[in-house]
Amino acid sequence: AQKITQTQPGMFVQEKEAVTLDCTYDTSDQSYGLFWYKQPSSGEMIFLIYQGSYDEQNATEGRYSLNFQKARKSANLVISASQLGDSAMYFCAMRGATGDYKLSFGAGTTVTVRA
Amino acid sequence: EAGVAQSPRYKIIEKRQSVAFWCNPISGHATLYWYQQILGQGPKLLIQFQNNGVVDDSQLPKDRFSAERLKGVDSTLKIQPAKLEDSAVYLCASSLKPLGTQYFGPGTRLTVL
Repeated sequence: AQKITQTQPGMFVQEKEAVTLDCTYDTSDQSYGLFWYKQPSSGEMIFLIYQGSYDEQNATEGRYSLNFQKARKSANLVISASQLGDSAMYFCAMRGATGDYKLSFGAGTTVTVRA
Repeated sequence: EAGVAQSPRYKIIEKRQSVAFWCNPISGHATLYWYQQILGQGPKLLIQFQNNGVVDDSQLPKDRFSAERLKGVDSTLKIQPAKLEDSAVYLCASSLKPLGTQYFGPGTRLTVL
């Protein structure tokens, strides 16, 4: 079974500063994928970034980067230069690759960006 | 490219009533998912379709929930009869293939009174 843990229920960050959201996972699969999604108050889940377990380099997408530490089973999301529009709930998710293709989500972290 | 469409956006019903949700995935996406998201939690997969076949429905409460994707495109999720604990947001997602990135619709917020 796959398990995702997000230990930070809520975080505050000043506009233009960087913020790191923690995510640890547990799986017995050798091949898996890690995802981060953003969920604003409107409710839609917005895909941000993906990291494959065999990818040697950390994934980056604009202001989002994923700090992947495979041995520690962590996949932290870094948001650089925070903007007011980044205020939302952020979910870490994992998908296996050996028959269990569903996404398993963590409990989420609420980010509030202050002006 | 149009995203995943869902309707209705909001629904309020009384317990023991029935309700149905509709989802239209991104064009060409063969895999469709229904998730249930209870307030304060991450989404939980209810059912996954590959074209019009069910891949995984292990977490679908089959005594009251049903879903279909008859022509491999649109899908409906039905609850009959609804219980108070079914109050949640129901999210539909689609991906090009089973291992592809999942893209979500805006969700349907269900309140059961």
